Amino acid sequence: EVQLVESGGGLVQPGGSLRLSCAASGFTFGISWMHWVRQAPGKGLVWVSRINSHGSTTSYADSVKGRFTISRDNAKNTLYLQMNSLRVEDTAVYYCATIAGPLDYWGQGTLVTVSS
Amino acid sequence: DIQMTQSPSSLSASVGDRVTITCQASQDIYNYLNWYQQKPGKAPKLLIYDASNLETGVPSRFSGSGSGTDFTFTISSLQPEDIATYYCQQYDNLPYTFGQGTKLEIK
Repeated sequence: EVQLVESGGGLVQPGGSLRLSCAASGFTFGISWMHWVRQAPGKGLVWVSRINSHGSTTSYADSVKGRFTISRDNAKNTLYLQMNSLRVEDTAVYYCATIAGPLDYWGQGTLVTVSS
Repeated sequence: DIQMTQSPSSLSASVGDRVTITCQASQDIYNYLNWYQQKPGKAPKLLIYDASNLETGVPSRFSGSGSGTDFTFTISSLQPEDIATYYCQQYDNLPYTFGQGTKLEIK
C-alpha cells in the first residue's frame, strides 16, 4: 500500500521556521520526482516546490523562493520542506505528492499556521 | 506562468444529471492536464491524467477530453458520492498551476 505521511506542521510566529517531513512507503521513492502543494483554509490548491529523483534539481513558486528549501533523503525514503521567514500568508495545509499520473500519490497533509 | 481558467466555480445538479466542467489554459499545454476530486478534509484524488486517461479504479462515469488550451471534464450520471470540489491542473510548465476549482452540490 502506498503511503505518504507528512509531519512537522504546527503553530509558528511570523518570521519563524518549520521543517516539514514526508515519509514515503509502498512505491519506489528513489526514482520519483516529488512535490509540495499547499492549500490555504477554504482556498484552492497551489503548487509550492518540486525536486528531482536525485535531489540535484529543485524548483519553487515565486511566493516561496529564497525562503523555502526542498530536499530529500532517498536512504530514508523521506522528503523535506524547510520553511524560513514564515509569513501569515503561508498558513495552509501542506501536501507532499508525486503528481505523476497514473502513479499519482498524495499525503494527508499537515497544517501550518503562522500567527502571532 | 500558465493561467488555468476553470468554470463554473460552483454547480448544483440532480442525481443522474450529466455534469460538465471546463478548463482553459492561457497557452498551449498539449494534453498535460490532470483532473482532481477533493472532498472536505481530504487530499486531492486524481481522476483523469493526460487530459483523457481514466485513473485506475475510477468509475467510468468520469471522463475528460481536449487538448491545446481547451479541456472538458464530464460526469455522465451524477451520483451522491460525487459531491466534492474538482480542480484541473496543468503540468506542461513550472510552476504547475491549478484551476480555481468547481464546487459541485446536489440540487
